[in-house]
Amino acid sequence: GENVEQHPSTLSVQEGDSAVIKCTYSDSASNYFPWYKQELGKGPQLIIDIRSNVGEKKDQRIAVTLNKTAKHFSLHITETQPEDSAVYFCAASIGGRAQKLVFGQGTRLTINP
Amino acid sequence: DAGITQSPRHKVTETGTPVTLRCHQTENHRYMYWYRQDPGHGLRLIHYSYGVKDTDKGEVSDGYSVSRSKTEDFLLTLESATSSQTSVYFCAISAMPNTEAFFGQGTRLTVV
Repeated sequence: GENVEQHPSTLSVQEGDSAVIKCTYSDSASNYFPWYKQELGKGPQLIIDIRSNVGEKKDQRIAVTLNKTAKHFSLHITETQPEDSAVYFCAASIGGRAQKLVFGQGTRLTINP
Repeated sequence: DAGITQSPRHKVTETGTPVTLRCHQTENHRYMYWYRQDPGHGLRLIHYSYGVKDTDKGEVSDGYSVSRSKTEDFLLTLESATSSQTSVYFCAISAMPNTEAFFGQGTRLTVV
């Protein structure tokens, strides 16, 4: 089955700097790659997603890139702010009858003022 | 916020007792999912449903069963709780495969 590896497990950056989180996946049939942000005591919330027919997607300060050949995708956050501090999860899904997301292990991002 | 309510939000139960967690949605989404979250493992899919009375197993389904008799409700049952089932459980919904999944607030279950 699908396996998703996420790195790093923790990341600390200065406010205003950029943060990059990387994920690799194993199943070349995966075609949907969402990123979720989880704040303390809450459920994960989608921040951006990308499908396998697209190489890059951007939404304001957040961007995701996908390299299907290498089977990896990355989250880029620019001009980081204190409210970006949270745990971030990547995921991959093959789709089909239902969306069976396989998640990475998570990255705890801390933005230092 | 998507209309997803999980109940209870917290529960402590003894080993060997049955436990049922409830997920209720008001979005009329077809797909519903149960995940568990444990440190170092991210979220792992337990069971999912693609319609009323249509359910299937996820990657960590042993020891769990589910039922969906109405579009809005998806129940997760631990027939005989074990300490390894201590976890935070999240329900999620989506309108279609490979679209945004909305997660509930979670249920923290402790098995002692």
